Amino acid sequence: GEDVEQSLFLSVREGDSSVINCTYTDSSSTYLYWYKQEPGAGLQLLTYIFSNMDMKQDQRLTVLLNKKDKHLSLRIADTQTGDSAIYFCAPEGGGSQGNLIFGKGTKLSVKP
Amino acid sequence: DTGVSQDPRHKITKRGQNVTFRCDPISEHNRLYWYRQTLGQGPEFLTYFQNEAQLEKSRLLSDRFSAERPKGSFSTLEIQRTEQGDSAMYLCASSITAEQYFGPGTRLTVT
Repeated sequence: GEDVEQSLFLSVREGDSSVINCTYTDSSSTYLYWYKQEPGAGLQLLTYIFSNMDMKQDQRLTVLLNKKDKHLSLRIADTQTGDSAIYFCAPEGGGSQGNLIFGKGTKLSVKP
Repeated sequence: DTGVSQDPRHKITKRGQNVTFRCDPISEHNRLYWYRQTLGQGPEFLTYFQNEAQLEKSRLLSDRFSAERPKGSFSTLEIQRTEQGDSAMYLCASSITAEQYFGPGTRLTVT
């Protein structure tokens, strides 16, 4: 079945850049999303990229997509302690309904 | 725009009881999704509505689960004869274009 893989943990120092990587198996995804989840909270949509794009920049966030390798990454510039959370990569599953396939998430810890 | 809302936020029930959750999507969002998230995992898709029509159901959605969206606005998810394995966070999301916005979730604990 469809699968999404992410590293479980990432630790960075405040002010550094964070790069969260994701690989996926479904090549038919039209949109690929990044969500942020803070403890006890719902999912916050951070950004997304259309499958015919290689890169998308949105303020401190940069998304890179390598469709050939089915690799997606999220770079957070000037990482702050408030960025500490779990980040989920979520490509669309196959089919027209647009349901998302989530990995287990990457827990980002930002040290002051 | 008040966002997606879910009610209740927490539910504790005894095994064998029925529970019902409600989701109110963002106004005018015609697509509505239910997901389930267990501890340490990402959300898993359960079912999808376009307006009032339920168009897709995951294999995860056993016969004990039923979802409705009677007038294409709010949706309910009912679990009959709850089991301990049903303990999870139940998330609702809505969209009108590509972007899915999630509600805060209903945390279900089955004792």
